[in-house]
Amino acid sequence: NAGVTQTPKFRVLKTGQSMTLLCAQDMNHEYMYWYRQDPGMGLRLIHYSVGEGTTAKGEVPDGYNVSRLKKQNFLLGLESAAPSQTSVYFCASSSNWGRETQYFGPGTRLLVL
Amino acid sequence: DQQVKQNSPSLSVQEGRISILNCDYTNSMFDYFLWYKKYPAEGPTFLISISSIKDKNEDGRFTVFLNKSAKHLSLHIVPSQPGDSAVYFCAAYSGAGSYQLTFGKGTKLSVIP
Repeated sequence: NAGVTQTPKFRVLKTGQSMTLLCAQDMNHEYMYWYRQDPGMGLRLIHYSVGEGTTAKGEVPDGYNVSRLKKQNFLLGLESAAPSQTSVYFCASSSNWGRETQYFGPGTRLLVL
Repeated sequence: DQQVKQNSPSLSVQEGRISILNCDYTNSMFDYFLWYKKYPAEGPTFLISISSIKDKNEDGRFTVFLNKSAKHLSLHIVPSQPGDSAVYFCAAYSGAGSYQLTFGKGTKLSVIP
């Protein structure tokens, strides 16, 4: 039982390049989330999903797209990376909606030059 | 405007003593609070939670206190151990149907042997 895994662990991009971050969970959770954490800041919600085939915007969605084609996977895409997207990205999942513990992956460190 | 505030960026405590981490919130709709612990290069892990209908929740060495009138909660760790050295995040849900966890900026705890 690996929990929540994220790929890749670290990536360097040039401005304008695109990439996809992959999140996978093996806990059969319905709900999945993408957060970003910037230095001196708490985690901020980018997008979330309440089930396979559904996605919704969180607090800071601009510049990102997501897809949930399979229940266990949640993909975060950057179509045209900007230096402001340099951050650590965390994926999380939970079994239910609200007041539920969210389980986090180890994070992906992204540097956009 | 930060709705969850952790005003102490760091805290140092001697091993065996009590660690007290504080968290203030401004949104009166918050009704469920969680503490997460984060080690470097890892994702946050759930530590303890408390519902707004309670004023205390205890789990081993960890106790969370909630003062609703003051919009303040605190995490007590007794006795503190070197392995407790980590960043602690306070987070809150607003309402039973809420999807969004709002995080504070975190407090870095260092437990000195």
